[in-house]
Amino acid sequence: EAQVTQNPRYLITVTGKKLTVTCSQNMNHEYMSWYRQDPGLGLRQIYYSMNVEVTDKGDVPEGYKVSRKEKRNFPLILESPSPNQTSLYFCASSLYRTGGYGYTFGSGTRLTVV
Amino acid sequence: LAKTTQPISMDSYEGQEVNITCSHNNIATNDYITWYQQFPSQGPRFIIQGYKTKVTNEVASLFIPADRKSSTLSLPRVSLSDTAVYYCLVGESNYQLIWGAGTKLIIKP
Repeated sequence: EAQVTQNPRYLITVTGKKLTVTCSQNMNHEYMSWYRQDPGLGLRQIYYSMNVEVTDKGDVPEGYKVSRKEKRNFPLILESPSPNQTSLYFCASSLYRTGGYGYTFGSGTRLTVV
Repeated sequence: LAKTTQPISMDSYEGQEVNITCSHNNIATNDYITWYQQFPSQGPRFIIQGYKTKVTNEVASLFIPADRKSSTLSLPRVSLSDTAVYYCLVGESNYQLIWGAGTKLIIKP
């Protein structure tokens, strides 16, 4: 089944403890993005990647890192999580830049930083 | 990046056709119009994308007038399972989109 898989689905961690949220897609998509969703603020893009080794900042990149060493994987790294990074995170991928096809989103990772 | 304006919420009934209109006065020449659906605690699901005139797929139609300053998502014969938040976005690529609050659509029996 074509999908975007994020792990873990739920994570509770403490301030300052480095964590990685994994994202993998099996559709050979070029484009991948990370978003966070907070009540009243909608989805905000953290980082995006247009291909292997090509990443760029979105609207809210502070406190996050990403890497794209392989086409299928796009992990999100929080080097020193803080409580304001408590949020619902989504990874997404797309084959095309645009032109009739949108993003396929993962099921989300709910992160709580205490 | 163009912003969009859409109703905060809408109600309808099962079996009806629902039209959600989105305003995007500052749409640029290279921008596409994209609609997503989102259920609580799930990732958004791509519905439809278009550039001009009309686009139709198996779940919805998208109507875009000649001036492209607005668009209308049409959902035929809705059911209770269509209750969700619907987002209208414009941008020249899938990764250059500003997500607003969307339209909360509630379908009643």
